[in-house]
This record gives sequence, C-alpha cells and structure tokens, in this order.
Amino acid sequence: SAVISQKPSRDICQRGTSLTIQCQVDSQVTMMFWYRQQPGQSLTLIATANQGSEATYESGFVIDKFPISRPNLTFSTLTVSNMSPEDSSIYLCSVKQGAHGYTFGSGTRLTVV
Amino acid sequence: QKEVEQDPGPLSVPEGAIVSLNCTYSNSAFQYFMWYRQYSRKGPELLMYTYSSGNKEDGRFTAQVDKSSKYISLFIRDSQPSDSATYLCAMSAQGAQKLVFGQGTRLTINP
Repeated sequence: SAVISQKPSRDICQRGTSLTIQCQVDSQVTMMFWYRQQPGQSLTLIATANQGSEATYESGFVIDKFPISRPNLTFSTLTVSNMSPEDSSIYLCSVKQGAHGYTFGSGTRLTVV
Repeated sequence: QKEVEQDPGPLSVPEGAIVSLNCTYSNSAFQYFMWYRQYSRKGPELLMYTYSSGNKEDGRFTAQVDKSSKYISLFIRDSQPSDSATYLCAMSAQGAQKLVFGQGTRLTINP
C-alpha cells in the first residue's frame, strides 16, 4: 500500500496566522483527500484534490479558508488560513488504494492559541 | 440525525474478552462498509472491508453487516492489549469517493 508522509506532525500557532500542511505520497495517485478530525469527533472530509484541477470542497468548507494545491500526482498541500482556536484539530490526508481502501497519513495535530 | 452513529465509549475490557463494536447508519445507499483502527498519534489504518450484507472473518476479527437494520458490527475475539486503539466505522455509497465516518470508539484492553 502507499506510504504517506505528512508534515508537520504537530504545531502550535497564533490566531490570525496560517499554516500549510504538506502531504507526500510514494506513488502516483489521481485523487487525494483532506480530512479534519476534531477532538472526540469523527473524521470529516474537507475537500478532494485532483491533479490539474480545482479542489472540490464539502459543504461547510470554503477555498478561502482551506486553500489546497495539487501540483503533481504525488504531492498536495492544505493551508489553514486566518486561524482561530476553533481550527484546533487533527488534519489528515488520504489516498484511495484499490477499489475501496483508503490509506491515511499520520496527521497534523494543530493547536491554535 | 448523523448519517453514521457510533458509541464513542470509552470501552474497557480484560484481556481475552470478546469485544463488540457497533455502528448504525441512516443512508440506505451505503454499500461499502469499513472498519479502521487508529492508534494514538497515528492515522487510521484499514482493518476490515465488507460489501453489502454478510459476514467477513480475518483472524480474530469478524465484521458483520445487516443492511435491513442499517447496522454493522466488528467483533474481536481473544482481545489483546495491542488491540487498544480507537476503532472507526466508515461507509460509502456505490460510485462515491467520499467516506462517511462514525465518531470512533476508544477501546482499552487491560492485561
């Protein structure tokens, strides 16, 4: 299965700043997914990133707040912009493996103070 | 009502016990059902995958799907301390890329 490297693993940021999270996959994949896992909550899909096209955002998530880049088939970034304490969460990238399996990165644990 | 409901626990059982984890769902379009295991400070890893109704067994793990009741279960036999983790159910509809997750159940197996 694919191996996903996600950076940073954790960060503490000041409110009003932005953080860019990187996701590197060891094989080429068409679709990459970005999830948020809030404390005690389920994983929620933020957006789907296809190489060469605009990301598709889920209801409740907007590009201005969570801009995504997908410059090639092995890499993607998610930026959390103008952060507030409510953005404190774990952010995970994921790729689809085979018909229905998904592989996840280890996540970025973000704390906004 | 959430699309997928999962008792968040926490659930604590002695080593060797049989563990039952469950999820209910409301969307009858869901066809693919998965269980993920997530260790602390790690991403979820796929544990079991089933399509439509029925049972699937893999070693000490058994996944059951009852589409008529919109209910899925994961059974862990002879539970081990290394099984201590958060278990998340997830499901998707035919042709859909999006996974919908349950809240996750935190499980602790006590030696």
